[in-house]
Order: sequence, then C-alpha cells, then structure tokens
Amino acid sequence: QKEVEQDPGPLSVPEGAIVSLNCTYSNSAFQYFMWYRQYSRKGPELLMYTYSSGNKEDGRFTAQVDKSSKYISLFIRDSQPSDSATYLCAMSQINTGTASKLTFGTGTRLQVTL
Amino acid sequence: DSGVTQTPKHLITATGQRVTLRCSPRSGDLSVYWYQQSLDQGLQFLIQYYNGEERAKGNILERFSAQQFPDLHSELNLSSLELGDSALYFCASSVGSREGQPQHFGDGTRLSIL
Repeated sequence: QKEVEQDPGPLSVPEGAIVSLNCTYSNSAFQYFMWYRQYSRKGPELLMYTYSSGNKEDGRFTAQVDKSSKYISLFIRDSQPSDSATYLCAMSQINTGTASKLTFGTGTRLQVTL
Repeated sequence: DSGVTQTPKHLITATGQRVTLRCSPRSGDLSVYWYQQSLDQGLQFLIQYYNGEERAKGNILERFSAQQFPDLHSELNLSSLELGDSALYFCASSVGSREGQPQHFGDGTRLSIL
C-alpha cells in the first residue's frame, strides 16, 4: 500500500465549475502538505503549501487539511481551460534529522472543457 | 519559471552506458533534491544535498550517484543503464535543509534508453 493515495482521473469538468481534488495518506508523521501543478513536459509547480491542519486560500485555490482523517483537498473555483494539468499532492514529515524529502501522490489529471 | 535549470532536456542513449544530468538551483537555495518520475511509480525521491553534503537518500540505485559542487550546482550520474531507467529526472531546490521546506522544481531531463 502506498503512503499517499490519489485518484489518477482523468477528471473532466466544464469551464467555471468548482473542482475538488483529494489525497489520503497513511503516515501520521506527515505535517507539511503541498499541492503542485504539472503541465505536460514541464516540472511540478508549487501551488499551495500548508502546515498541519486547517485551510489556506490563495486566489481561486483553497487547500484543506484534515489530519484526523488523513485527508487533504484542493479546491479550484471558477475553473479555466488553463487549469488543465496534472495535480500532485506532496507531503513531508517531521523528522528528528534534517531530511525534507517529499512523498508524492501519483497525480490527478484534470481537463477543463469550454 | 521556477529558477531551477536542468540540462540536457532530452537524452537518448543505449543500455550499459553512463550519463550525467546537471542541475543549477534557484539563486540563494542551498539544498538540491533529485527525483525520478515514471508512469508506474510517480515521483520518487532519490537523494538530497545541502551545501555540498549528502543529507538524505531515498530509493536510489547503487548504479546512481550524485554530488553537489561548491558553486551549488549538482550532478546526477547514472551508470550501467538499463531499459527500466528510462524516466523523467527532476531536480528541485529549497533554501534550507530541514523538513517542510517548499521545493521548487526544474523542467526535468527526459532519459530514454534504447
């Protein structure tokens, strides 16, 4: 079983829709949660960064973390065709050392149609 | 543009060969991370360097090695290449080395083994 599970999609929505993307995880030591967007033939681009539980909003994007359920979400409001990409969740755990590797979900492919 | 530069963008070589991938981190970032992205495994952490020193190792094969130079650029060396090494290799960088550091990715090197 993978430490981070993410539905691969594809998820197809009409322009203007609210999109909900989710990840579940099994390691309770994860404390830092990130969402990356990856366009085809490009590297992952950091969208949202949160620590521990709670919500964070940035423009059309809202990230939610529910540590009690080991569940994180990314909401995209007023989705645009330019939002069509693969969305990756990533997590980092508290270590006694200094390592800060990210553990990624496999990504959800999103298609926003006109 | 993340500020992380990777060269070359594409590399085509044969089994048994050796290649070197290069990464220049964002200005001011001291940590460099290497990840491998394949269709079946997603993004997998390979290794981290901080200010020239190795800080963490992930699922990196013994045939692979890396180093970070005094000017902070990093190289990932892959030897005795096998067909299964075909993948996208990403470099990321962050300011520090501790857990939870936001990581910024380059656009990767696509390695194809024939």
